[in-house]
Amino acid sequence: DVKVTQSSRYLVKRTGEKVFLECVQDMDHENMFWYRQDPGLGLRLIYFSYDVKMKEKGDIPEGYSVSREKKERFSLILESASTNQTSMYLCASSLTVSLYEQYFGPGTRLTVT
Amino acid sequence: DAKTTQPTSMDCAEGRAANLPCNHSTISGNEYVYWYRQIHSQGPQYIIHGLKNNETNEMASLIITEDRKSSTLILPHATLRDTAVYYCIVRPDSSYKLIFGSGTRLLVRP
Repeated sequence: DVKVTQSSRYLVKRTGEKVFLECVQDMDHENMFWYRQDPGLGLRLIYFSYDVKMKEKGDIPEGYSVSREKKERFSLILESASTNQTSMYLCASSLTVSLYEQYFGPGTRLTVT
Repeated sequence: DAKTTQPTSMDCAEGRAANLPCNHSTISGNEYVYWYRQIHSQGPQYIIHGLKNNETNEMASLIITEDRKSSTLILPHATLRDTAVYYCIVRPDSSYKLIFGSGTRLLVRP
């Protein structure tokens, strides 16, 4: 079974803090994704990575950056957290970019106060 | 990408088949139909996908109409653990994007 793990289930940070969300997958997948999920807005893609050190912006990259130094690990960074970044953050991975299913982690519920 | 329309909520009795409809009348030839579900407090889970033909796996069956304008996800023997929000997504084969709409909230009753 594919396993995608995220470093925290719940996180509370203060405005202005730098926040790191970590995601690890164990299936040697090429592609990894970061989404955020908000009520009424569905899932929105922040960034995705199709190879080590390669990344592309998704639909809402502003205020976020990412890092992929190793194939199995994809980090989402909030350089200076703001209250409007309070959300559920979901990481996913897939074998290929297009056809194959994406496997999601359990999510990190981030609250910025 | 084509839009999808799903009922907001449905319910079914445990042990019975759950049939979840999805309308995608503007689907184009290279777009696949995907189904995911999200159980409360968990990340979305892939269920099944198809292009033209009906598909079946260990979780569910997917029936796509001949004109491809609608599809039905069938959970043959629903259990309480199948209570979740079910998302129907239409996606071109060249795209990495999954666009989740509002989905159908399925409640399986004991």
